[in-house]
Amino acid sequence: NAGVTQTPKFRVLKTGQSMTLLCAQDMNHEYMYWYRQDPGMGLRLIHYSVGEGTTAKGEVPDGYNVSRLKKQNFLLGLESAAPSQTSVYFCASSYGATGESTDTQYFGPGTRLTVL
Amino acid sequence: AQKVTQAQTEISVVEKEDVTLDCVYETRDTTYYLFWYKQPPSGELVFLIRRNSFDEQNEISGRYSWNFQKSTSSFNFTITASQVVDSAVYFCAQGGSEKLVFGKGTKLTVNP
Repeated sequence: NAGVTQTPKFRVLKTGQSMTLLCAQDMNHEYMYWYRQDPGMGLRLIHYSVGEGTTAKGEVPDGYNVSRLKKQNFLLGLESAAPSQTSVYFCASSYGATGESTDTQYFGPGTRLTVL
Repeated sequence: AQKVTQAQTEISVVEKEDVTLDCVYETRDTTYYLFWYKQPPSGELVFLIRRNSFDEQNEISGRYSWNFQKSTSSFNFTITASQVVDSAVYFCAQGGSEKLVFGKGTKLTVNP
């Protein structure tokens, strides 16, 4: 099992460019999440999904969109990147037994994004 | 409102010392879960433990132990006989009826 994988690992964008981060999990988990991690801010939830075809906003959703067309994949899109979106992005997944805030979440290796 | 406080921003110890990482949480939920994650220098987040609010038994796993005290809203993590490989940022988190909230982390450096 690969667990949770993220593509790409690193990316540099110019302000205004768009990109999509891909998250894939092979654990047959129902729930998937996108977080950003910034120095001194801990982890903050951007969007999450409790099943294929569903998405919901987290704590910091502005400037991001997501899609969950297949159960194993969760895409995070930046339509017009801004320097404030420079961060490390983590994807996570969980089984879906108890709830999106009480399940054990398993994390991917992260994507380091820099917006110039 | 939910809140998780890890008051120790950075801790430095010498190998083989015992070290305790503090975690204090605030929640209005009666049923909730507590977590610890490890983030080594390589950057990934590694799950360590999940504990529900009804289980106040302390847990031991090898050199790791966790002390859950509901009366003081604390879920502290102790590493016994620390090793250089324990150097990492450790995050405590709490989840219940609302969202999963992470503390800001404690950076542990274990020096040889």
